[in-house]
Amino acid sequence: AQSVTQLGSHVSVSEGALVLLRCNYSSSVPPYLFWYVQYPNQGLQLLLKYTTGATLVKGINGFEAEFKKSETSFHLTKPSAHMSDAAEYFCAVSLNAGGTSYGKLTFGQGTILTVHP
Amino acid sequence: DSGVTQTPKHLITATGQRVTLRCSPRSGDLSVYWYQQSLDQGLQFLIQYYNGEERAKGNILERFSAQQFPDLHSELNLSSLELGDSALYFCASSVAMGGPGTQYFGPGTRLTVL
Repeated sequence: AQSVTQLGSHVSVSEGALVLLRCNYSSSVPPYLFWYVQYPNQGLQLLLKYTTGATLVKGINGFEAEFKKSETSFHLTKPSAHMSDAAEYFCAVSLNAGGTSYGKLTFGQGTILTVHP
Repeated sequence: DSGVTQTPKHLITATGQRVTLRCSPRSGDLSVYWYQQSLDQGLQFLIQYYNGEERAKGNILERFSAQQFPDLHSELNLSSLELGDSALYFCASSVAMGGPGTQYFGPGTRLTVL
């Protein structure tokens, strides 16, 4: 079984400040890890994902995340926040079970990012 | 635009009723997933179909059922509706049955049960 914990249901930053959204996972097998963003009244959009290989993953809109197996973490960062980054962010995990997985995503509870001018 | 379409966008109905939510996956995607997003439960996986066959089941109530048709669109049927079924229901699609492939989400159907 797998689970995801997002630390902090609300994060508030100033425009231009560093964004750090925390995600820790639990998985019995190597995981695939994802960050999705949800703007108000919209569906989820993939920001980035970790599958295998390089542990620092770059995504859209200047976001990146680092997979740290020893810490079971996959924190999302962006060097400089923009007003348009205000949204809800979800970390998710699916299982990489010997190359086969039915792909269901297990989501964290979400973190609402507020960006102040 | 993810390429995944869901209808209707909003649905308001009464307790005890039955509704059908429809999803059309992206062109070429064979997998369809259904998720429920509610304030108390968050985003939860309900069920997955791949090329017409059920492949994985999550926290889906017995009152709920789904199917995927030969043209790959999917329907989620919710019956004997209760107030607690009010939620946003998302459909997602991907090319493969599992693995690291991206799931593309539709805009969702907001169900309100009165």
